[in-house]
Amino acid sequence: AQSVAQPEDQVNVAEGNPLTVKCTYSVSGNPYLFWYVQYPNRGLQFLLKYITGDNLVKGSYGFEAEFNKSQTSFHLKKPSALVSDSALYFCAGGAGTYKYIFGTGTRLKVLA
Amino acid sequence: GAVVSQHPSWVICKSGTSVKIECRSLDFQATTMFWYRQFPKQSLMLMATSNEGSKATYEQGVEKDKFLINHASLTLSTLTVTSAHPEDSSFYICSARDRTSGSHEQYFGPGTRLTVT
Repeated sequence: AQSVAQPEDQVNVAEGNPLTVKCTYSVSGNPYLFWYVQYPNRGLQFLLKYITGDNLVKGSYGFEAEFNKSQTSFHLKKPSALVSDSALYFCAGGAGTYKYIFGTGTRLKVLA
Repeated sequence: GAVVSQHPSWVICKSGTSVKIECRSLDFQATTMFWYRQFPKQSLMLMATSNEGSKATYEQGVEKDKFLINHASLTLSTLTVTSAHPEDSSFYICSARDRTSGSHEQYFGPGTRLTVT
């Protein structure tokens, strides 16, 4: 069965420090992967995607992610966290179909 | 571009009544739309896949008679929660795929919060 996992329920980081939100996947075939951010009572905002091409993907608001096929990972990173980055982050993906599989979400808390 | 709207953004209804939620693609045509449900502090659960002009495909465990989905045009899909009960209270999010895009990207609406009293 295909799956997307976010092993951390919450990540705390000090403002100005680099942040990483982890995502691993298990799909058969070539994966497509996305990161979204959700603020309270709002829909999902697109951050970045990997379909094919360069393994390092740069996205919105200074975020980037690296597709690592050998480790089946797609971790989200940002060099310097902002308090306004505090939100719920979802990794999603799949392969072969148009349906997304969502991770369970990681709550990022950036401390001032 | 690629904007998806939902209406209403929030709705309160009484138990036993039905409520309709609209999902529109504003600047593109969507052959496929998806309906998700999200419980507090949880992930999104795919309820059904809606294809224009055909019946929706429901995920396992989702009652098709309870959650009626209609995708009558390339820009509009509706979700009707019939005979709503308090346990149907949730955040409902739709997404849409651009028919001209070969990618798997879905564009998400802002969500509809349903409260059944």
